[in-house]
Parts: sequence; structure tokens; C-alpha cells
Amino acid sequence: SVLTQPPSASGTPGQRVTISCSGSNSNIGSNIVNWYQQLPGTAPKVLIYSNNERPSGVPDRFSGSKSGTSASLAISGLQSEDEADYYCSTWDDSLNGWVFGGGTKLTVL
Amino acid sequence: QVQLVESGGGVVQPGRSLRLSCTASEFSFSDYAMHWVRQAPGKGLEWVALISYHGNTKYYADSVRGRFTLSRDNSKNTLYLQMDSLRAEDTAVYYCAKQQSRSGYYYLSYFDFWGQGTLVTVSS
Repeated sequence: SVLTQPPSASGTPGQRVTISCSGSNSNIGSNIVNWYQQLPGTAPKVLIYSNNERPSGVPDRFSGSKSGTSASLAISGLQSEDEADYYCSTWDDSLNGWVFGGGTKLTVL
Repeated sequence: QVQLVESGGGVVQPGRSLRLSCTASEFSFSDYAMHWVRQAPGKGLEWVALISYHGNTKYYADSVRGRFTLSRDNSKNTLYLQMDSLRAEDTAVYYCAKQQSRSGYYYLSYFDFWGQGTLVTVSS
């Protein structure tokens, strides 16, 4: 994938976990980053848009940030229902299209 | 509530064609750019293509450019993906997704609604 994410992450209930997303100047370095959550067997849904904005209905336990050519998603107060796959995404100016990270599978222990 | 319903998936032999449809409801379809995103079995998300609200501007992923064609019929609230010269690596669930903003600045937006997906299997 054009964007690099760790394949897995884990934490216990109540903990804070962070998922990183690394790109380059042509993608993250130049454009906003969005994060999507995909629960098992369902379509993805937007979790964070424009680097750090939450759509209505998304708990404030979820937050996003971006610095240079990297971005990260933080989940605080981890809950069992947060077990899902998480994807970062941004526009790539060189490819003239959207790119996704490989996805991070979050396990709540 | 916005609804996107994909159809047209199935099993097809390598080299053959298939056309997917995505029927939209509960929003002004003709005002928004639309996208296709696919997910191979057990794999991550891959953006496939986008079409502007009027259909005049299209972008494709390198992996499908020249083989897939995106179109839309705003009078029918329907998005199409014509897939030709299919390969085994095109096997995936195909999702249509709505762009959140009416703006033509696609890179500033995100996908706010997704369909449930339709499975395409390319196999002999």
C-alpha cells in the first residue's frame, strides 16, 4: 500500500491505543487524512475526516492528528466494540486518486 | 437516510466483462461525485474510481485504468462500473461510496455513505 499502517494493534478495556499511518509528500504531506472503521462483515464508515474532525455520532474517544507525512488515530477508553479494522486514507497528487493504508486490525484483549 | 444499493456482482471467467450498478436514494444524487472502492477477500480497501457529479470528470486507479469505465445516469440515480478484461486479481467486494461534499475539490472530502457491497469473483 502507498500508506503504511501497522497490521495489528491491541489493548485492554479502558486503555489508550494509537494507530500510525505513514505516507509521503505527494499524499499525506499535501492533503487531508481521513480514517475509516470497518466492523467485521460490514461496510466501512468514516471515523475521522480532515485530519482531526469527527462526524456527528462518533464518540470523542476517537481523535486524529497529522504531522508532516504521517498521521495517527488515537482511541482512548478502549471498549470491546472498538474491535475492528481501521484504515487511513488520503488523496495522492502523483497518482491522481485516493489511496488507503493497508489497514490495522485492532484487538481488545 | 441515504441508501446506496449495489448489484450486478457474480462469477465471471477471466477476460470476460461485467457491469455493476449502484442505485442511490434519499439524497440529491446529481449533486455529488461518486466513487467505487473494492476489497479483495481478507485484504484491505482499494479505491477504484471516481466520477464527478455531472459525469464529465473521471479518475481511475492505475490497476483498472483502460479496463474499467465509470458512468452515471442522473435521471435514474444510478452509478455504473463497466468492467472489461477481468482478471483474477479483480476478485473483490465492490462498494459504491458517496462523496461528502458537493465540491469538485475531491481531495478535500471523504466518503460519508457506503453501500453494502457486491461480490465479484473472477475464476475459470
